[in-house]
Amino acid sequence: EIQLVESGGAVVQPGGSLRLSCTVSGFTFSEYWMSWVRQAPGKGPEWVANINQDGTTKYYLDSVEGRFTISRDNTKNSLYLQMTSLRVEDTAKYYCTDFDFWGQGAQVTVSS
Amino acid sequence: DIVLTQTPPSLSVTPGQTASISCKSSQSLLRSDGKTHLYWFLQKPGQPPQLLIYELFNRFSGVPDRFSGSGSGTDFTLKISRVEADDVGTYYCMQSMQLPITFGGGTKVEIK
Repeated sequence: EIQLVESGGAVVQPGGSLRLSCTVSGFTFSEYWMSWVRQAPGKGPEWVANINQDGTTKYYLDSVEGRFTISRDNTKNSLYLQMTSLRVEDTAKYYCTDFDFWGQGAQVTVSS
Repeated sequence: DIVLTQTPPSLSVTPGQTASISCKSSQSLLRSDGKTHLYWFLQKPGQPPQLLIYELFNRFSGVPDRFSGSGSGTDFTLKISRVEADDVGTYYCMQSMQLPITFGGGTKVEIK
């Protein structure tokens, strides 16, 4: 069974930092591009970042470029999103996905 | 950025009838490899999006043949034949032709 499980979501103050993790099982993680997609309450999905199979190529949404860093550890079947300088508008559920399969999401709330 | 415009924003369908959702792109989604990088997802309440159709018309594993994707260039349609109660939710189109990956605004489908 294919599973993607996100963790690390929390309530943080504006300007704070957070690291999300996603552990994957059931498919050969190292063979796929992976993405983080977020969804604010009542809104549609928004792509945030993606990373290639060996972690050497990364792309970001303009509004998170320089604040967020995507990475992966293929030995641990894990995907990460390091988020710094968080803003109220970053509040959303963050999903780990290869677009075929999705995790259940991790809630990030940025509030003072 | 490529803008995807979905219509209608909501749809009420009688079980057994056919529903059609339109997705219009601000740019062609046909790549030089001959593939059209247009995807359809269904998001049921409280769940992550689930892939229905990839690369314009290919049904993802386990998706009933009641779901079909069509179109070309910049105009696309998702058709749901013989609508069932389990088809309720919000449908999104998505493009991966160009970064940033973008989603349409969604079409909320309810059953009469």
